[in-house]
Amino acid sequence: QSVLTQPPSVSGAPGQRVIISCTGSSSNIGAGYDVHWYQHLPGTVPKLLIYGNTNRPSGVPDRFSGSKSGTSASLAITGLQAEDEADYYCQSYDSSLGGYVFGTGTKVSVL
Amino acid sequence: QVRLQESGPALVKPSETLSLICTVSAGSMTNNGYYWGWIRQPPGKGLEWIGSISYSGSTSYIPSLESRVTISLDTSKKWFSLDLTSVTAADTAVYYCARHTGTVTRMRWFDPWGQGTLVTVSS
Repeated sequence: QSVLTQPPSVSGAPGQRVIISCTGSSSNIGAGYDVHWYQHLPGTVPKLLIYGNTNRPSGVPDRFSGSKSGTSASLAITGLQAEDEADYYCQSYDSSLGGYVFGTGTKVSVL
Repeated sequence: QVRLQESGPALVKPSETLSLICTVSAGSMTNNGYYWGWIRQPPGKGLEWIGSISYSGSTSYIPSLESRVTISLDTSKKWFSLDLTSVTAADTAVYYCARHTGTVTRMRWFDPWGQGTLVTVSS
């Protein structure tokens, strides 16, 4: 069971904005450890979307943005597109567990 | 652009050792700040970090698997490996290798990833 909790699913119409939350605690996000986000279409290679809380790797559209506050982080997708349908995972470090941890994952559906 | 590819048996018997290799191409393994890691995803479940190794051979493992896991590497031949001993059905998963990037310990992320390989533990 992951220490980073995400909503199982979020959905939106094309063009809309959706936000995926990643809720942690004082031993991970709240301790100041960076949060990173990945997009994963089943059967394909997981793709880094956001690193260091807010940074986009080259090639990632600016429709994707990350933020962090307190013990939580969020990934926002604006201008939702059909190709954004995928699973999304946050990732950080947990000092109590002594290792890197992933969120529970969120399935994004485009209506 | 560095690319990673996992290889190894798709089927392992219970109590035996799961062994995988990740081959690194089109890039160096020895840049400072690069670690090399393994992540797995059991069917229908989320991602789990297994462990990582630095280019100099320093390792870190998830505590829950530490007694059964060994990660090693050969930078001259550009591969790193995962050995997981005494496997059970609970170790059935897609196993991914990835570059574990970042200069600050505990702040690192995974990029890029390999395609992943499904390993089933069954007699």
